[in-house]
Amino acid sequence: RKEVEQDPGPFNVPEGATVAFNCTYSNSASQSFFWYRQDCRKEPKLLMSVYSSGNEDGRFTAQLNRASQYISLLIRDSKLSDSATYLCVVTLRGDKIIFGKGTRLHILP
Amino acid sequence: EAGVVQSPRYKIIEKKQPVAFWCNPISGHNTLYWYRQNLGQGPELLIRYENEEAVDDSQLPKDRFSAERLKGVDSTLKIQPAELGDSAVYLCASSLMGQRLTEAFFGQGTRLTVV
Repeated sequence: RKEVEQDPGPFNVPEGATVAFNCTYSNSASQSFFWYRQDCRKEPKLLMSVYSSGNEDGRFTAQLNRASQYISLLIRDSKLSDSATYLCVVTLRGDKIIFGKGTRLHILP
Repeated sequence: EAGVVQSPRYKIIEKKQPVAFWCNPISGHNTLYWYRQNLGQGPELLIRYENEEAVDDSQLPKDRFSAERLKGVDSTLKIQPAELGDSAVYLCASSLMGQRLTEAFFGQGTRLTVV
């Protein structure tokens, strides 16, 4: 079982729709959780951290369920500029950072 | 403040040739990572340094890959000899160890094509 698994993509959704990404992790000792965004031919960049209580940043909401070892990202009112690959990221003890394969999102006009 | 700097941005080499990539992390970041990213995949960790010590190189193909981080700052990743399957983007990242939430900052990567 892979350490971090994400929905296989791509997701093609119309502008204005709500999109949900799911991610599961296998190591119960995982300490920190993130969503990164990667544009085509660019490096990954931090989108948001994920807290146990859930957190929101504008149109983006991230949630963590430690019992189920599950992370989610919700994008509301999607924009064309949201088109990118979204990477689920888990940090293990000792700062080992593990990436999921990523889910590509295409927002359609 | 300068981010993570990598060079070269692009490299095309023939198979069996050697190649080296260089990374300068963000000043003060003691943890440095080398990742390899194939098309359509997420970054896969090759090696992780804490200061000058390689603390995780379990995924580094040691028969042909080597890395060093002298003085705990800059790092180089070398492949010798390169194979066709090594074509990928090689990403360097750095972070500040010990933070409650460890954010990794990436360089722009080196896109390697082996022909």
